[in-house]
Amino acid sequence: DIQMTQSPSSLSASIGDRVIITCRASQDIRNNLGWYQQKPGTAPTRLVFTGPRLQSGVPSRFSGSGSGTEFTLTISSLQPEDFATYYCLQHNSYPLTFGGGTKVEI
Amino acid sequence: QVQLQQWGAGLLKPSETLSLTCGVYDVSFSGYYWSWIRQPPGEGLEWIGEINHGGITNYNPSLKSRVTISADTSKNQFSLKLSSVTAADTAVYYCARGPARITIAGVVIMGFDPWGQGTLVTVSS
Repeated sequence: DIQMTQSPSSLSASIGDRVIITCRASQDIRNNLGWYQQKPGTAPTRLVFTGPRLQSGVPSRFSGSGSGTEFTLTISSLQPEDFATYYCLQHNSYPLTFGGGTKVEI
Repeated sequence: QVQLQQWGAGLLKPSETLSLTCGVYDVSFSGYYWSWIRQPPGEGLEWIGEINHGGITNYNPSLKSRVTISADTSKNQFSLKLSSVTAADTAVYYCARGPARITIAGVVIMGFDPWGQGTLVTVSS
């Protein structure tokens, strides 16, 4: 299985901060990675997928980059509605695997 | 707008079989893969498996011996069965469209979107 290591596991930030979350794959997954946001008590929603392409309707302050084994999700200016847990997902090979999550808190 | 609505029993005893169904609305069932994903309380996400409209399935090896995913294309539904459950199977279970769609040019990876609302399944004696 491909292991996805996310860092940090949690972070504290303020409104307007630039936030960077990293995901490292245990082997080359090309650009087959997506990022998901989950708020408490709700299902995850897709932010970024293969490309990296931004999901329709997702604010442009979110961006994904990387290929191979190193990937980042950047929030250029943190907004109140961005406080959530973020997960990466590799869909390069079976079984599909998620990172452990990054909780973004105030 | 594509919607996924899921239902099934939320409380099971050890050794019973978990059974959930996901209804797909406002989109054709064919042309996509459909998945089940779970999340134990306070933990991360685990992909369980997928099915396409042709009935082709792929399962996570960690659960493969106990999992069956099936589809009823006439009803635009797909289902999950997980046998011999234990407390370790307690989780919120989600259905989702993805991770791929099927085009004339081939399979296009898209990730999971949208997701169902989730069903908390608790295994307790």
